[in-house]
Amino acid sequence: EAGVTQSPRYAVLQEGQAVSFWCDPISGHDTLYWYQQPRDQGPQLLVYFRDEAVIDNSQLPSDRFSAVRPKGTNSTLKIQSAKQGDTATYLCASSRQVNQDTQYFGPGTRLLVL
Amino acid sequence: GEQVEQLPSILRVQEGSSASINCTYENSASNYFPWYKQEPGENPKLIIDIRSNMERKQTQGLIVLLDKKAKRFSLHITDTQPGDSAMYFCAASVRGSALGRLHFGAGTQLIVIP
Repeated sequence: EAGVTQSPRYAVLQEGQAVSFWCDPISGHDTLYWYQQPRDQGPQLLVYFRDEAVIDNSQLPSDRFSAVRPKGTNSTLKIQSAKQGDTATYLCASSRQVNQDTQYFGPGTRLLVL
Repeated sequence: GEQVEQLPSILRVQEGSSASINCTYENSASNYFPWYKQEPGENPKLIIDIRSNMERKQTQGLIVLLDKKAKRFSLHITDTQPGDSAMYFCAASVRGSALGRLHFGAGTQLIVIP
């Protein structure tokens, strides 16, 4: 079974630039999560979906961050006008049913904002 | 919401000795407590979990204890090896809740000294 895949693996930006991260969950997993993991900290949930619907985006900085999962499979997380404080690893995870099963993490995208 | 506190932040042990990591949570409704291991540059991987209907679980040199009254759970690694060196994260969630999600601790850097 293929795991969660993410791209790109690394991104380096200047402040003010935009960036998009892409996630392909494990086939058959209806729930997809995006986490932000600052260096030496635990993952912090940004948003999660069941199929194409947003379940919780309360931790997503809505003025600059957006996330979509239009067909209930792949998902894109976008940062408009990145700030140095956005420097972190962005992890995508998926599970078979929301809160009913183990979450499997992708390799993450390491973002550095200069 | 939920707050998960994890201690210690750094743990150094001699090879062959045991290592213990402790976490506390606030929400008495939390009923699922997974532990993840994250090696440098890698994604977090589930190593063991425990549900609220259990007080102890053991697998392959790992022991998890849960004290629901004290809202405390812990990971014990017996006979540590250099390969156990990594970041360890505890988490808590209300499994089965439509709005439940994993809340992670800040992590413990385990260093096993040969």
